[in-house]
Amino acid sequence: KAGVTQTPRYLIKTRGQQVTLSCSPISGHRSVSWYQQTPGQGLQFLFEYFSETQRNKGNFPGRFSGRQFSNSRSEMNVSTLELGDSALYLCASRRGQAFKETQYFGPGTRLLVL
Amino acid sequence: GNSVTQMEGPVTLSEEAFLTINCTYTATGYPSLFWYVQYPGEGLQLLLKATKADDKGSNKGFEATYRKETTSFHLEKGSVQVSDSAVYFCALRATNTGNQFYFGTGTSLTVIP
Repeated sequence: KAGVTQTPRYLIKTRGQQVTLSCSPISGHRSVSWYQQTPGQGLQFLFEYFSETQRNKGNFPGRFSGRQFSNSRSEMNVSTLELGDSALYLCASRRGQAFKETQYFGPGTRLLVL
Repeated sequence: GNSVTQMEGPVTLSEEAFLTINCTYTATGYPSLFWYVQYPGEGLQLLLKATKADDKGSNKGFEATYRKETTSFHLEKGSVQVSDSAVYFCALRATNTGNQFYFGTGTSLTVIP
């Protein structure tokens, strides 16, 4: 069974631009979460989607948004990029929202904002 | 609130040495606890987990015991290998915030031959 896939793997943007990252969960998984990983802040939760609805949201500004499609694939968008948005963005999927469900991570998209 | 604190790195050990990475947590209710490992250039992989007090999670020679009385979930391995070099993350999943995950800042481990 294929794992969580994220595209693109690497991205370079300039300040003020916007970016869209994509995540394809493991087949049969309906929950997708996004995290930002930086050396200073570690892993911070962005949001979680289940059945095309946002179920949880972390403490990030409105420039960070996401959505989930009917096939469970998810995208996250960052508008008006800032230098501080440079990070590894990780997507994770799990089968459902039950507490016992294990979360599986993708390899991440590394975003550099110049 | 919910949070995870793990020991600062980096940690450097010789092959076959004993490993301990400390992790303590703050949570409301009864969280599940996890250790994830991240190898260079890759995403996080689940290493082990424990879902209730006194549970011991184990995998690939690594162990961690869910200690509610000390709010700890320390990672241990009796004899590390060069291939264990990676960054280790302690995490909890909280019941009071919609099953959201909270991660520690990660501990980098380098094992030298």
